[in-house]
Amino acid sequence: QKEVEQNSGPLSVPEGAIASLNCTYSDRGSQSFFWYRQYSGKSPELIMSIYSNGDKEDGRFTAQLNKASQYVSLLIRDSQPSDSATYLCAVIASFQKLVFGTGTRLLVSP
Amino acid sequence: ETGVTQTPRHLVMGMTNKKSLKCEQHLGHNAMYWYKQSAKKPLELMFVYSLEERVENNSVPSRFSPECPNSSHLFLHLHTLQPEDSALYLCASSQLAGGLTGELFFGEGSRLTVL
Repeated sequence: QKEVEQNSGPLSVPEGAIASLNCTYSDRGSQSFFWYRQYSGKSPELIMSIYSNGDKEDGRFTAQLNKASQYVSLLIRDSQPSDSATYLCAVIASFQKLVFGTGTRLLVSP
Repeated sequence: ETGVTQTPRHLVMGMTNKKSLKCEQHLGHNAMYWYKQSAKKPLELMFVYSLEERVENNSVPSRFSPECPNSSHLFLHLHTLQPEDSALYLCASSQLAGGLTGELFFGEGSRLTVL
C-alpha cells in the first residue's frame, strides 16, 4: 500500500465547474497535510495546508480533512483553464517524514 | 533575485563526467533540501540541511554528494552517474521552527539527462 495515494487522472472538468481532487494516506498518525500545484515544466508551489479535521477555505480553494477516514481533498470552485496542472498531496507522517503522492493531473476545458 | 534559484536549468552529461547543481535561496530560511522528481513517481527526498548541517540522507548513492557552505547556498555534486539518474532535481527551502514542516518553497529545478 502506498503511503499517499492519488488518482493520476487526468481529471477533466469544464470551465466554471467544481474540481474535486482526492488523496488518501495510510499512516493514521499523520498530522499535517499539504496541497501543491505543479504546472507542466514548472516546480511545485504550495497552495494549501491543513492541520485539523474539517474545511479550510482560501479563495476558490477549499481543503477538506477527515482523519477518521484518512483522506484529504482539495476543491476548486469556478475552475479556470489556468487551474490546469498536476496537484500533489503531501503528508507529514507520524515517523516525521514528508511524503508526497504522485499527483493528479487536472484539465479544465474552456 | 527572489525565492529559490537553481542553475543550470538543463544539464546533459556523460556517465564519466563531473558536474554540479547550484541552488540559492533569498528567503532567509534555515533549511534546504534536494529532491528528485521522476516520471510517474512521487517526489523523492535526497538530502536535508538545517543550519548548514546535514540532517537527512535517504540512502542516496555516493555518486551524489551534497554541499551546504552557508544557509543560503546548496550544491549537488554529480559524479559517474547512471542513465537512470536522469530526472528533474529540485531544490527547496523552508523555515524550520521546532519540527518538520511541509511548507516548502521550490526552485524551478535542474533537468538532468545522463547519456
